[in-house]
Amino acid sequence: GQNIDQPTEMTATEGAIVQINCTYQTSGFNGLFWYQQHAGEAPTFLSYNVLDGLEEKGRFSSFLSRSKGYSYLLLKELQMKDSASYLCASLDSNYQLIWGAGTKLIIKP
Amino acid sequence: IAGITQAPTSQILAAGRRMTLRCTQDMRHNAMYWYRQDLGLGLRLIHYSNTAGTTGKGEVPDGYSVSRANTDDFPLTLASAVPSQTSVYFCASSDLAGGNEQFFGPGTRLTVL
Repeated sequence: GQNIDQPTEMTATEGAIVQINCTYQTSGFNGLFWYQQHAGEAPTFLSYNVLDGLEEKGRFSSFLSRSKGYSYLLLKELQMKDSASYLCASLDSNYQLIWGAGTKLIIKP
Repeated sequence: IAGITQAPTSQILAAGRRMTLRCTQDMRHNAMYWYRQDLGLGLRLIHYSNTAGTTGKGEVPDGYSVSRANTDDFPLTLASAVPSQTSVYFCASSDLAGGNEQFFGPGTRLTVL
């Protein structure tokens, strides 16, 4: 079957660093996406990894290990506006996205 | 129009009624998707279309139908709504030749009583 696992909720402090993990098991693999979704809004694209390693984009970085079926999203210098849900999604062999349930990130001052 | 739009924003519907959710994009993307999002669950694909004139079933297609008469529009129809179809519905589009990033509409919040 196809499965995406990520923690339901995480809490972090403003200015700190947080790592959100995602493990995936899908029929075929064509890349791993991370999206951000603020409450009541649509998901917006953060990152895409298809090769092993770390992709850095400002305060956000995403890592992929294809052999381990594992990815993480690293958020640095946390700001209150980073309070949101973070969705992990794997692109399967049919080029369809299989979505995790999302990780709700709560930032405390 | 800028990007992808959906209508209505929200709707309360009596069970058994027919309802069409509208979705329009102006990015000339070839692929379009309909998802539903329920609390505690990931986005689930209802139907998709990789190009105008073709559609396919996703993970949860029962009770829903779609059409893709042109590139821009991808309406989702509930023929006879049931309470379990209460959800937030998102339409998305992507350029299959351009990296598969999906762009989402603002969503439609549907309540079936």
